[in-house]
Amino acid sequence: DAMVIQNPRYQVTQFGKPVTLSCSQTLNHNVMYWYQQKSSQAPKLLFHYYDKDFNNEADTPDNFQSRRPNTSFCFLDIRSPGLGDAAMYLCASRTTPGTEAFFGQGTRLTVV
Amino acid sequence: GIQVEQSPPDLILQEGANSTLRCNFSDSVNNLQWFHQNPWGQLINLFYIPSGTKQNGRLSATTVATERYSLLYISSSQTTDSGVYFCAVTSSGGGNKLTFGTGTQLKVEL
Repeated sequence: DAMVIQNPRYQVTQFGKPVTLSCSQTLNHNVMYWYQQKSSQAPKLLFHYYDKDFNNEADTPDNFQSRRPNTSFCFLDIRSPGLGDAAMYLCASRTTPGTEAFFGQGTRLTVV
Repeated sequence: GIQVEQSPPDLILQEGANSTLRCNFSDSVNNLQWFHQNPWGQLINLFYIPSGTKQNGRLSATTVATERYSLLYISSSQTTDSGVYFCAVTSSGGGNKLTFGTGTQLKVEL
């Protein structure tokens, strides 16, 4: 059974049109992550939450925002997607820093 | 922040061959995981191994935390082993961050 679920699996959006990606986890984990992965590269951390505490990576573009309304759900908002934002977006969760992380299936974003 | 380097970056094997993938990290860690990324992009958990040795079928992993490296062994490789292998770590002083290594692209041929 999937424990970290991302929706949708594939998302096509227009240049400049806001888009929201969602992630849910059934594991009651404290920590949730959003990563961006471009072709032939390693996943790059955008944000992470420890409970409600939000941590933004220094090089995450201002165009990217995140919300975590409750323990189970986390959203990634891209306010004005550009062609360079086309990528795979991966969500993950875990209990604490010293425990195993689990990833969702990812959302592949295309910007046209 | 912590630096994580993997080697080799690319590897081509004949089916049935064995291989060793390496992950070097620049700081002490309290978490280390190995993942296999499938062709659809999903990251599959292989091992959670901050220290010691574990085995799962044809795969095994060893982490020597004091020397800041981990090894992933693949024996009797199969075409289904193809894909990208990542290690990911959390440094002991790095809060909650999970940092990925540079990856090893493996191709297993018949």
